[in-house]
Amino acid sequence: SQQGEEDPQALSIQEGENATMNCSYKTSINNLQWYRQNSGRGLVHLILIRSNEREKHSGRLRVTLDTSKKSSSLLITASRAADTASYFCATVSWQAGANNLFFGTGTRLTVIP
Amino acid sequence: DVKVTQSSRYLVKRTGEKVFLECVQDMDHENMFWYRQDPGLGLRLIYFSYDVKMKEKGDIPEGYSVSREKKERFSLILESASTNQTSMYLCASSFNTGTGGYEQYFGPGTRLTVT
Repeated sequence: SQQGEEDPQALSIQEGENATMNCSYKTSINNLQWYRQNSGRGLVHLILIRSNEREKHSGRLRVTLDTSKKSSSLLITASRAADTASYFCATVSWQAGANNLFFGTGTRLTVIP
Repeated sequence: DVKVTQSSRYLVKRTGEKVFLECVQDMDHENMFWYRQDPGLGLRLIYFSYDVKMKEKGDIPEGYSVSREKKERFSLILESASTNQTSMYLCASSFNTGTGGYEQYFGPGTRLTVT
């Protein structure tokens, strides 16, 4: 399976701390994307990093990509209670349909006020 | 703002019923997708479409069919609902770049319960 795998499965931190989530995948990719899902709702796209990029920032989000290790990390700085959600990585692979995303099972983040 | 809407947030159906889940997007996206989401299994692709009247099977198409008669609308059909199809169903759409990989925009989801 090309599915990504997030680590840890669950993470609980205090408000103001940083949260780091990791994603590993198995095949060569075109790009990797991170999504957020609030409980019982649809997914919201957060950030996309291409295979030739190593780091990308968007507001309090920082994503890194290491294609040699087939891994990515999502860092949320200065977390807030509103960041409580599940976070998914998704990959687009050259080998598969180039418009399809392959999702991991997600990291459940809880930010305690 | 991109908007992907799904016909129902919650749906309860009986075993054996035919079920239609509708998805509409307003961004003129070529690609549309149907996923189901189950605890511990993440999102799994059921069917996708890159153009009107085009459809392709995803990872778990068994028990489902789809219809794409208009560019903005992608319907998921459960021909004869079964209890193992109780799940959250998510629709998504994206541009088709030709080289792949633009972000997908998701609808709010339909939580389907089959009794």
